[in-house]
Amino acid sequence: GDSVTQTEGQVALSEEDFLTIHCNYSASGYPALFWYVQYPGEGPQFLFRASRDKEKGSSRGFEATYNKEATSFHLQKASVQESDSAVYYCALSDRNTDKVVFGTGTRLQVSP
Amino acid sequence: NAGVIQTPRHKVTGKGQEATLWCEPISGHSAVFWYRQTIVQGLEFLTYFRNQAPIDDSGMPKERFSAQMPNQSHSTLKIQSTQPQDSAVYLCASSSGGQDTQYFGPGTRLLVL
Repeated sequence: GDSVTQTEGQVALSEEDFLTIHCNYSASGYPALFWYVQYPGEGPQFLFRASRDKEKGSSRGFEATYNKEATSFHLQKASVQESDSAVYYCALSDRNTDKVVFGTGTRLQVSP
Repeated sequence: NAGVIQTPRHKVTGKGQEATLWCEPISGHSAVFWYRQTIVQGLEFLTYFRNQAPIDDSGMPKERFSAQMPNQSHSTLKIQSTQPQDSAVYLCASSSGGQDTQYFGPGTRLLVL
């Protein structure tokens, strides 16, 4: 079945550091790819998506580019802030279903 | 748009009691999803509906858990004879279906003592 792999379980950075969270996927079809962010006490919030190869999604300074050849959708931000501390989920949605498959999440902790 | 509404936000039950969780999806969304979230297991898919019809309940524990969607404005998740291992945050999400974005509610934190 379809799957999403996030290699980093936790990431600890200082403010203004560069962020990369790796996301690789496995899908039989041509999925849409998503990033969600979850703050304590809240449900996951949609961050952005990309639906085709080489498309870049972005929001709030975060960005990721759909790479079909590498089956990747890595999240990046040039300069993180303490307020970016949260759990980030990569996800995919296959064309043949309404379901979304989520990765295991990456907890980002940014220190001032 | 109020977003996805879940009630209650917190629920404490005794072992063996029943718990019913409510979800009101975003108006106009045709697909409603239920997830369970724990520290150990992360985000787990439970079940979903499209146009009020159950489509996939592959993540639902076969005993004690049931979900319904009696009308387009709400869905319920019922857990009978709750056990401590049912303690989790239960999340509801809705979307327009297909590959459309899912939007989550704030969740119901269930604690079974």
